[in-house]
Amino acid sequence: QVQLVQSGAEVKKPGASVKVSCWASGYTFTSYAIHWVRQAPGQRLEWMGWINTGNGKTKYSQKFQVRVTITRDTSASTAYMELSSLRSEDTAVYYCARGDYDVLTGDCLPPHSWGQGTLVTVSS
Amino acid sequence: SYELIQPPSVSVSPGQTARLTCSGDALPKKYAYWYQQKSGQAPVLVIYEDNRRPSGIPERFSGSSSGTMATLTISGAQVEDEADYYCYSTDTSGNHRVFGGGTKVTVL
Repeated sequence: QVQLVQSGAEVKKPGASVKVSCWASGYTFTSYAIHWVRQAPGQRLEWMGWINTGNGKTKYSQKFQVRVTITRDTSASTAYMELSSLRSEDTAVYYCARGDYDVLTGDCLPPHSWGQGTLVTVSS
Repeated sequence: SYELIQPPSVSVSPGQTARLTCSGDALPKKYAYWYQQKSGQAPVLVIYEDNRRPSGIPERFSGSSSGTMATLTISGAQVEDEADYYCYSTDTSGNHRVFGGGTKVTVL
């Protein structure tokens, strides 16, 4: 059974960084990419970036490019999303989600299986 | 930046058909994907590549796309279909991946 299990809720001060983990089980970790998507309270879903879990290559949304880093540890079947220079507008639920690779382009197809989400609250 | 436009809300009576639209300039060339999100839960993919249904998704969910508009149809809507529905796609370059603003479906 495919599962993506995320780390617990975080409370951070403005200017700090947060690192959210996403542990994958029930499949071969490197056979699928991992996306990160966030959702501020009452707002739309927002795609942040994805990582090729096999070779570690990443692609980020222009909005987050400067502040986000997505990494993975294949030995632990875990992906990470670190967001720096936090501000109150970053208060949101952060999701990881699995995506297939496009066999023709090597790009990542949209997410399908999702983690449970991690609430990150930024407050002074 | 690229945008996908969805109506904010749709209401339907149980057993009736709900049609949700998603408008985007690149949709003639790029696939649309649809996600269902119930309150307090993670999204679930209900339609991919315009009109394909993942395993486990009821047949009452179907998708289509024509020109700059993609449509999610719920035929014979049920109370448990109440949720927010988001479309997802990319611009023509594939570099900007975006979700629409979401449509809240009420079944009553």
